[in-house]
Amino acid sequence: AQTVTQSQPEMSVQEAETVTLSCTYDTSESDYYLFWYKQPPSRQMILVIRQEAYKQQNATENRFSVNFQKAAKSFSLKISDSQLGDAAMYFCAYRSNDYKLSFGAGTTVTVRA
Amino acid sequence: NAGVMQNPRHLVRRRGQEARLRCSPMKGHSHVYWYRQLPEEGLKFMVYLQKENIIDESGMPKERFSAEFPKEGPSILRIQQVVRGDSAAYFCASSPQGTGANVLTFGAGSRLTVL
Repeated sequence: AQTVTQSQPEMSVQEAETVTLSCTYDTSESDYYLFWYKQPPSRQMILVIRQEAYKQQNATENRFSVNFQKAAKSFSLKISDSQLGDAAMYFCAYRSNDYKLSFGAGTTVTVRA
Repeated sequence: NAGVMQNPRHLVRRRGQEARLRCSPMKGHSHVYWYRQLPEEGLKFMVYLQKENIIDESGMPKERFSAEFPKEGPSILRIQQVVRGDSAAYFCASSPQGTGANVLTFGAGSRLTVL
């Protein structure tokens, strides 16, 4: 199984500010997919953003963007203009060309009003 | 288009009882995956099924756990003779195909508590 590491158990951000969540992974494959999922208190797993490894351009979805560094096997998530509704647990996940998703342990994001 | 539907959302069982968790995939999705989330941890893969076929059950404990996805009806994750260590959130996900490019859509999860 692939290893996905999220080294920040908790992060706190002031409303309207920016926060960056780190994620590193271990793989010997060249073709794979990376995801960030959000899990609010409702526990629903919500896809935030995804990145194909063959694409050099970093993915962006509104206030969410990633910094994908393939050589460093790093995939960080930046949340800009943080809102109270962004408070949740965020999981980084890796998927190769098979079907299994490997998740990190998660980072809890708290947004201060 | 309803998403992935899981029920029950919460289930309480006593040690030794059986737990049955149901998952109806999104319309048009024929691939179903079950994941388990222990407290303070990420989700761990358990099993991957297509209609009437178990494709990969390598993440599922060898004993007491079974899964099915019949031709008609929802996918079922069955846990026999539950123990306290089975207490967790069980998530079902579905996709239209099984390859890596396809995004998994998750249900809201079923939280099992074993007393």
